[in-house]
Amino acid sequence: EADIYQTPRYLVIGTGKKITLECSQTMGHDKMYWYQQDPGMELHLIHYSYGVNSTEKGDLSSESTVSRIRTEHFPLTLESARPSHTSQYLCASTGQGEYEQYFGPGTRLTVT
Amino acid sequence: GNSVTQMEGPVTLSEEAFLTINCTYTATGYPSLFWYVQYPGEGLQLLLKATKADDKGSNKGFEATYRKETTSFHLEKGSVQVSDSAVYFCALTNQAGTALIFGKGTTLSVSS
Repeated sequence: EADIYQTPRYLVIGTGKKITLECSQTMGHDKMYWYQQDPGMELHLIHYSYGVNSTEKGDLSSESTVSRIRTEHFPLTLESARPSHTSQYLCASTGQGEYEQYFGPGTRLTVT
Repeated sequence: GNSVTQMEGPVTLSEEAFLTINCTYTATGYPSLFWYVQYPGEGLQLLLKATKADDKGSNKGFEATYRKETTSFHLEKGSVQVSDSAVYFCALTNQAGTALIFGKGTTLSVSS
């Protein structure tokens, strides 16, 4: 059973606010990922990290930023939320030498 | 680069019907292949995987066989249940083996 957590699960916030979506895993995994999932359910990789102090942008351009100061923690920040940021955000991690990703439950963000 | 194509949904079946969701891929080398399932309001869960040609992954009555000659990894279940209603994603490792590439997802609805 994978232990990866995301908070909050649901967030409704006004335009222009700064938000941070939290993601933590207790498995000691090196690799972590953020996906944005559109209403049609397609997943888009927006950020990934291969370890502490390593962050890269994914395939889909995003105005969000990430940090990886600790192995277990990979928060995503939006400096100024806009309605176009309304989406489901999924965090995942992978252990060294593995390929399968373990997903958190997701954060559903609505920007009004 | 590597890519995956899965059949578009939605797929609507009656309980106890046979299920097939098609997945084909394009890849350099020998990727690992996966099926993930996403129940409403949750993150993705690994359903099954196969790491080399002719491997059969299986779990909870679902099966998929890694077919290199047809570059396919079709998901099958002999008798679906209402509880199988979910979105199913086919995925494979990218060329570098550092991340997964996901299909667009297939929504399955099973009625009693």
